[in-house]
Amino acid sequence: DIVMTQSPDSLAVSLGERATINCKSSQSVLYSSNKKNYLAWYKQKPGQLPKLLFYWASTRESGVPDRFSGSGSGTDFTLTISSLQAEDVAVYYCQQYYSIPLTFGGGTKVEIK
Amino acid sequence: QVQLQESGPGLVKPSETLSLTCSVSGGAISGYYWIWIRQPPGKGLEWIGHIYYSGSTNYDPSLKSRVTISVDTSKNQFSLKLNSVTAADTAVYYCARGYSGAYGWFDSWGQGTLVTVS
Repeated sequence: DIVMTQSPDSLAVSLGERATINCKSSQSVLYSSNKKNYLAWYKQKPGQLPKLLFYWASTRESGVPDRFSGSGSGTDFTLTISSLQAEDVAVYYCQQYYSIPLTFGGGTKVEIK
Repeated sequence: QVQLQESGPGLVKPSETLSLTCSVSGGAISGYYWIWIRQPPGKGLEWIGHIYYSGSTNYDPSLKSRVTISVDTSKNQFSLKLNSVTAADTAVYYCARGYSGAYGWFDSWGQGTLVTVS
């Protein structure tokens, strides 16, 4: 199984400041034949269902604000919120879809400082 | 916009079988993978398994001996059965649609249903 490790477990950021979340996979999720990273990001607000933010590591889902960006390749990935807004308070998860079983990171909780 | 809705008992006794159904509306069940994911209270997301509309399945190895996912295309529904449940199976269970094949992300989710084993 591919183990997804997120860091930090939680972070507190002031409104308007940058938030950076890291996700590391235990093996590469870059598929050599198509040069795509098989990684997605989700946002889960308290008491709500998860919402897709990115797929292919950096392709933004329709409707996701452009203050969110996804980057990285191979085994190391980053989700960045360039200017934190109140509605961004949530837990963020990465997920690999390179191999079965599909696996998630443990989540990173983002709060307002 | 496809919508998914889970239904089933919210309380299951230990050693019995958990049974949930996901009803899909606003879109066809054909052509997609359909997923079950769970989230124990206060914890992260766990992929349980998926089924293609044609009926082929994949399950998490740790649950494989206890899990069955089935699909009923005539009703636009798919279902989860998890037998011999214990307290460790207490979780919010989500159904979701898989995009881009068996190896893909989840673009639409149900609201989730809490199942307590007690």
